[in-house]
Amino acid sequence: GENVEQHPSTLSVQEGDSAVIKCTYSDSASNYFPWYKQELGKRPQLIIDIRSNVGEKKDQRIAVTLNKTAKHFSLHITETQPEDSAVYFCAARKGQAGTALIFGKGTTLSVSS
Amino acid sequence: ETGVTQTPRHLVMGMTNKKSLKCEQHLGHNAMYWYKQSAKKPLELMFVYNFKEQTENNSVPSRFSPECPNSSHLFLHLHTLQPEDSALYLCASSPATSGSSTDTQYFGPGTRLTVL
Repeated sequence: GENVEQHPSTLSVQEGDSAVIKCTYSDSASNYFPWYKQELGKRPQLIIDIRSNVGEKKDQRIAVTLNKTAKHFSLHITETQPEDSAVYFCAARKGQAGTALIFGKGTTLSVSS
Repeated sequence: ETGVTQTPRHLVMGMTNKKSLKCEQHLGHNAMYWYKQSAKKPLELMFVYNFKEQTENNSVPSRFSPECPNSSHLFLHLHTLQPEDSALYLCASSPATSGSSTDTQYFGPGTRLTVL
């Protein structure tokens, strides 16, 4: 079945450094790839998403890149801050239509000051 | 933060109990979802409802029974659960079926379920 692999499972960086989280997906029909941030004890919240018709999208310190040929996409956080510490989940749409998402296992990002 | 609400926030139940989880969305969405979040597993999609109709059942055991009486409410009825069913159960909603601006899923705060 459809699968999303996410790496690394944990990531520790110093404040001000960049962080990169990578995901690969198996369903070649997937065309929508959101990223969610979940702080401790809180609900997942969308931080950025990308569709298959673009290769990169940026929103302030956060960017996502997509390589459809290789079926992988990445989250880039620049100038990290302690408040960026959280669990980050990537996801891919299940198929080309419909609304179901397949999530990766999550990356726990720790930013130390 | 109040767009999608879930009750109760915490639930402890025995294996022979019957309980229900409730989700309500105030965003005018037409798609609703149940997810299970365990400590060492990703967010596992359980059920999807579009316009009150179930469009996905991700091989969920029959001891979990969803109900969607209208586009704003979603229930998860629980009976004869097992300890391994202990997890955070998250509800989410999104505007409609897929489209350029209708994909974003908004999550509720979750119900922390413990099965003794």
